Amino acid sequence: AQKITQTQPGMFVQEKEAVTLDCTYDTSDQSYGLFWYKQPSSGEMIFLIYQGSYDEQNATEGRYSLNFQKARKSANLVISASQLGDSAMYFCAMRTMNTGNQFYFGTGTSLTVIP
Amino acid sequence: ETGVTQTPRHLVMGMTNKKSLKCEQHLGHNAMYWYKQSAKKPLELMFVYNFKEQTENNSVPSRFSPECPNSSHLFLHLHTLQPEDSALYLCASSQILRGGTDNEQFFGPGTRLTVL
Repeated sequence: AQKITQTQPGMFVQEKEAVTLDCTYDTSDQSYGLFWYKQPSSGEMIFLIYQGSYDEQNATEGRYSLNFQKARKSANLVISASQLGDSAMYFCAMRTMNTGNQFYFGTGTSLTVIP
Repeated sequence: ETGVTQTPRHLVMGMTNKKSLKCEQHLGHNAMYWYKQSAKKPLELMFVYNFKEQTENNSVPSRFSPECPNSSHLFLHLHTLQPEDSALYLCASSQILRGGTDNEQFFGPGTRLTVL
């Protein structure tokens, strides 16, 4: 069975500081992709970053980076230099080659950036 | 229009009403999804369509009826809903390739549904 776990329901970070949002996953498939999405209060889910299971380097996209530790089955999102606009819900998701169309989402982490 | 659009953005309906949610994607994707997002609950996958064919139906009550007339449009027909069906309904699309896992889902802005 495929499963995504986000253990931090809520996080706070000071503006301009870095923050790490945790995500662990469970799958028996060898080929899979990990995704992070941001959901502001407006409701729209915004894709942030992707990491493939065979990628040797951690993915980076601007201020977002993914700390991928395959042996631990973790894919933590690191946001550097936090901004007030980063306050939102963050979801980790996974898709595996064998499950085709299905994406599996975690329960999300609510991030609040404090000025 | 670009990306994934959803209409209406907000909907209030009584339990005896019939309404439909509409989703349209302008990305040329071959898969479309309906999700339900209730307060303080994880995202719940409802339906998946791949090339207009329904490939997933996650035990959704029959008062929700999906329709996918082509690969760009997806509807969710609603009838005799319950107050607990009040939620944010998100549509998404993705390009599904054989052997690939790197195609992310693109989401619409959602329809916030309130059932009275």
